[in-house]
Amino acid sequence: DTAVSQTPKYLVTQMGNDKSIKCEQNLGHDTMYWYKQDSKKFLKIMFSYNNKELIINETVPNRFSPKSPDKAHLNLHINSLELGDSAVYFCASSQMQSMNTEAFFGQGTRLTVV
Amino acid sequence: SQQGEEDPQALSIQEGENATMNCSYKTSINNLQWYRQNSGRGLVHLILIRSNEREKHSGRLRVTLDTSKKSSSLLITASRAADTASYFCATDFNTGGFKTIFGAGTRLFVKA
Repeated sequence: DTAVSQTPKYLVTQMGNDKSIKCEQNLGHDTMYWYKQDSKKFLKIMFSYNNKELIINETVPNRFSPKSPDKAHLNLHINSLELGDSAVYFCASSQMQSMNTEAFFGQGTRLTVV
Repeated sequence: SQQGEEDPQALSIQEGENATMNCSYKTSINNLQWYRQNSGRGLVHLILIRSNEREKHSGRLRVTLDTSKKSSSLLITASRAADTASYFCATDFNTGGFKTIFGAGTRLFVKA
């Protein structure tokens, strides 16, 4: 069983479109994250949710809207996609929004905006 | 700006040699973690060292932490071709919500 799964794995779309990436974890974790990895491999945190509540929002354009229907899911919706949104997006989860816990990552969604 | 930065950016060694990667960070931390990322895959956790620890071992991995210098090193002994991957350090610190910040990674290539 995949611990953290995200869909789709690849997403190619045109500028201006709206798209969603889904993430689910079956680890019973209460904290979930979205990270963006750019072409230079920098990993930047975008959002963090703890028990469905937003706790971290890192200067992300409001075109990006995370939604957590329950603590096992954290979806990322992106409006009016731009070329600069092209990147690999990783979902992750951890046991608690606290120290000394490792994060488990999904396999990533490679988003290409054309 | 990035909280953590790995050094070197890229490293190429022969199988059997040791590989050492360094990480520097800027603010006080609760812990520091190392992750590996194989090409096209997600990150996999390798080892976590707490701020009150100085050294930790896990199999062929050895991690050191020097909080006075705000730096850590990851040593992979007797490297194998399968160790080829990118290695990231990540720091956890409290800014009104714990968050894990990653550096840009060290790309390790182990030649068979």
